[in-house]
Amino acid sequence: IVLTQSPGSLSLSPGQRATLSCRASESVTGRYVAWYHQNPGQAPRLLIYGASRRPTGVPDRFNGSGSGTDFTLTISRLEPEDFGVFYCQQYGDSPLTFGGGTKVDMK
Amino acid sequence: QVHLQESGPGLVTPSGTLSLTCVVSGVSLNSYDHYWGWVRQSPGNGLEWIGTASFSGSSYYDPSLERRLSIKVDTSRAQVSLRLGSVTAADTAIYYCVRVLSPYSDFWSGYYFFDYWGQGAQVIVSS
Repeated sequence: IVLTQSPGSLSLSPGQRATLSCRASESVTGRYVAWYHQNPGQAPRLLIYGASRRPTGVPDRFNGSGSGTDFTLTISRLEPEDFGVFYCQQYGDSPLTFGGGTKVDMK
Repeated sequence: QVHLQESGPGLVTPSGTLSLTCVVSGVSLNSYDHYWGWVRQSPGNGLEWIGTASFSGSSYYDPSLERRLSIKVDTSRAQVSLRLGSVTAADTAIYYCVRVLSPYSDFWSGYYFFDYWGQGAQVIVSS
């Protein structure tokens, strides 16, 4: 399954809302989509799994939604540490695949 | 607190073998609730899952790498190892050790996501 993320980049200010899209080339079984955040020079960090579930410790300003081929990550109010690159990943079909990322930078 | 730390040579010659070790702390490797694996990242190919292994000795690899790849979990040393043979420049990447979760109890499903990541080890393949 090919994952296409849009937009490729986004310039926003702290406090603003960010909406990131991940579109799959085929329907993703079980809504098995994860989202990760990566800062420069650091490893990705899991934000969302199962399309909408947050691991312990992930702030509730991060919300995932969607089903089928269309998935969305929404950050309600951007904090300074939220800027970076966001990746979606599907694990409803083998082999699992990642999207190309959306870069969110500070305006 | 779960911590994963990769180590190994940063430079590998073409046709050689890439070997990395990941030391795991803060969690037991002896569990059927999670597995261990490797993900790599390069500018040209983005994030790529390489393979997953269980403490029981099972392993599941990306088909394109399977012939060259070995991932093992050593519970006595709390380590996860990666060996990738016959490397080329295309194997140049940052290699991340990861803890692997799955919504299915079947290890062989291949349906994995990753909740803990090491800091990554940069490996360059060059003569």
